[in-house]
Amino acid sequence: GDSVTQMEGPVTLSEEAFLTINCTYTATGYPSLFWYVQYPGEGLQLLLKATKADDKGSNKGFEATYRKETTSFHLEKGSVQVSDSAVYFCALSLGTALIFGKGTTLSVSS
Amino acid sequence: DAGVTQSPTHLIKTRGQQVTLRCSPKSGHDTVSWYQQALGQGPQFIFQYYEEEERQRGNFPDRFSGHQYPNYSSELNVNALLLGDSALYLCASSLGQGLRNTEAFFGQGTRLTVV
Repeated sequence: GDSVTQMEGPVTLSEEAFLTINCTYTATGYPSLFWYVQYPGEGLQLLLKATKADDKGSNKGFEATYRKETTSFHLEKGSVQVSDSAVYFCALSLGTALIFGKGTTLSVSS
Repeated sequence: DAGVTQSPTHLIKTRGQQVTLRCSPKSGHDTVSWYQQALGQGPQFIFQYYEEEERQRGNFPDRFSGHQYPNYSSELNVNALLLGDSALYLCASSLGQGLRNTEAFFGQGTRLTVV
């Protein structure tokens, strides 16, 4: 079935370090891909999305490129901040429902 | 704009009991979806309501049911609670059913503990 696999956490980085969180997917059709972020005590927020192959989603310094050939949508940021500490979820949708990965916890220290 | 609001924020129930969770969608949204997020896991899709009807359902038993009212607000009902139903229940609203050209906004969730 359709699924999302993302790298296990936690990921611990120092401020200004480079971030990569890997995400790969399996889908029967052509999904839209998403990254959501969940800050402590809050609901999920959409961070970025891409709806077709080679699209790049970007927001708040985060980027991810829809790679159909490798079925991947890796999240990157060039310089993380303490305020980026949160749980990050990769997700796909083939229509109405979102299918999420298990989440990756990012902890950034100053 | 209040965004998506859910109530209550926390509740504790006993095995075998029934529970009702409530969701008010973001202003202007007509579609409500419910997700279950177990501790340390990603959210899992329960079902989606649009035009007061259940339009799509995930892999959840019939103990999970819902309703959508004419004002687009929604309820999630869970009967015969099991310990394994303990989770954060998230409501998401959107304008229209498809997510390719719209965004789903999530509420902060209801933390259900079954004892």
